[in-house]
Amino acid sequence: GESVGLHLPTLSVQEGDNSIINCAYSNSASDYFIWYKQESGKGPQFIIDIRSNMDKRQGQRVTVLLNKTVKHLSLQIAATQPGDSAVYFCAEGGNQGGKLIFGQGTELSVKP
Amino acid sequence: EPEVTQTPSHQVTQMGQEVILRCVPISNHLYFYWYRQILGQKVEFLVSFYNNEISEKSEIFDDQFSVERPDGSNFTLKIRSTKLEDSAMYFCASSTRGGLETQYFGPGTRLLVL
Repeated sequence: GESVGLHLPTLSVQEGDNSIINCAYSNSASDYFIWYKQESGKGPQFIIDIRSNMDKRQGQRVTVLLNKTVKHLSLQIAATQPGDSAVYFCAEGGNQGGKLIFGQGTELSVKP
Repeated sequence: EPEVTQTPSHQVTQMGQEVILRCVPISNHLYFYWYRQILGQKVEFLVSFYNNEISEKSEIFDDQFSVERPDGSNFTLKIRSTKLEDSAMYFCASSTRGGLETQYFGPGTRLLVL
């Protein structure tokens, strides 16, 4: 069946370092991908998205890379800060109904 | 900045009771969604809603669940007879359109069924 999974359940980095969070997806028909950040007790917060006709998209301190050949998605966070500590979810979608399929999540811990 | 709001933030109920979770989506959005997240697990899609009808629903969204847009601003999720396994965080989300559009999530309602 469809699934979106993450390679690493936890990631610990030093403040100022760059972080890379990875995600694998299985539905090659998906054409829309989103990264969400979730802090404890809060709802998912939109970070960045990318459509399947793109390989890379940049935001403020974040970059999403999409490799459709191997069905892989990554989120890069530059100069990671303590405020970036959270669980990061990738999600795939694109059908008209709007259903998003979420991955398990990676917990990012930033050490000062 | 506009945001999705949800009430209540916490709800405790007895098994078998009905609960209604409320959401106010972002005002110019046309698509509305409910998701749930069991503690420590991933976010799961329940249902999407557009033009006053369900667009898509998951296997979780059985006959015990229903959604409604009773007026121009609210979007509700009703669970008719709650079960212990319904305990979870329930998130409402909205987007301008379906498909390739960003969904913005509310802060969630934590439901505890005893």
